[in-house]
Amino acid sequence: GENVEQHPSTLSVQEGDSAVIKCTYSDSASNYFPWYKQELGKGPQLIIDIRSNVGEKKDQRIAVTLNKTAKHFSLHITETQPEDSAVYFCAARRAGSYQLTFGKGTKLSVIP
Amino acid sequence: GAVVSQHPSWVICKSGTSVKIECRSLDFQATTMFWYRQFPKQSLMLMATSNEGSKATYEQGVEKDKFLINHASLTLSTLTVTSAHPEDSSFYICSAEMTSGRARETQYFGPGTRLLVL
Repeated sequence: GENVEQHPSTLSVQEGDSAVIKCTYSDSASNYFPWYKQELGKGPQLIIDIRSNVGEKKDQRIAVTLNKTAKHFSLHITETQPEDSAVYFCAARRAGSYQLTFGKGTKLSVIP
Repeated sequence: GAVVSQHPSWVICKSGTSVKIECRSLDFQATTMFWYRQFPKQSLMLMATSNEGSKATYEQGVEKDKFLINHASLTLSTLTVTSAHPEDSSFYICSAEMTSGRARETQYFGPGTRLLVL
């Protein structure tokens, strides 16, 4: 089955700096890659997603890049703010499947 | 749009009792809903996939007689933890997959239900 590795497990950045979280996946048939933000005591919130026919997608301060050949995708957050502090999860889904396979999460701390 | 609600948000119960958690897609139809369990500082663990009008598909190791799932309509799925024990204490999160539209096949998560079994 699919296996998703996520790094780093924790990340601290100064406010205003950029943060990058990387994930690799094992199943070349995976074609959908969402990123979720989870604040303490809350459910995951979809922040951006990308499909395998696209190499990059951007939404204001958040961007995701996908390298299908290397089977990895990354989340980029620019001009970080304290409210960006949360746990971020990447996920991958195989074509034709309902199920998402999640990474283990990255705890991002933005220091004011 | 794409709001998923869960009720209750938290529940405390005595060992041996049953607890029902509701998951609703408020502004879209969801043919498929998912139930996850999350332990502190860990990732989400898929428990089961439920499709409207049919039996749920449980992941390996998840007892279907203990975690009863009903998906009676396109906007409601319920998870009942039967004969709850302290080891069932956890954060339970549902998600719903949009059936149609531009965001089709995107999973939206509910806010979670924290269960504490005494």
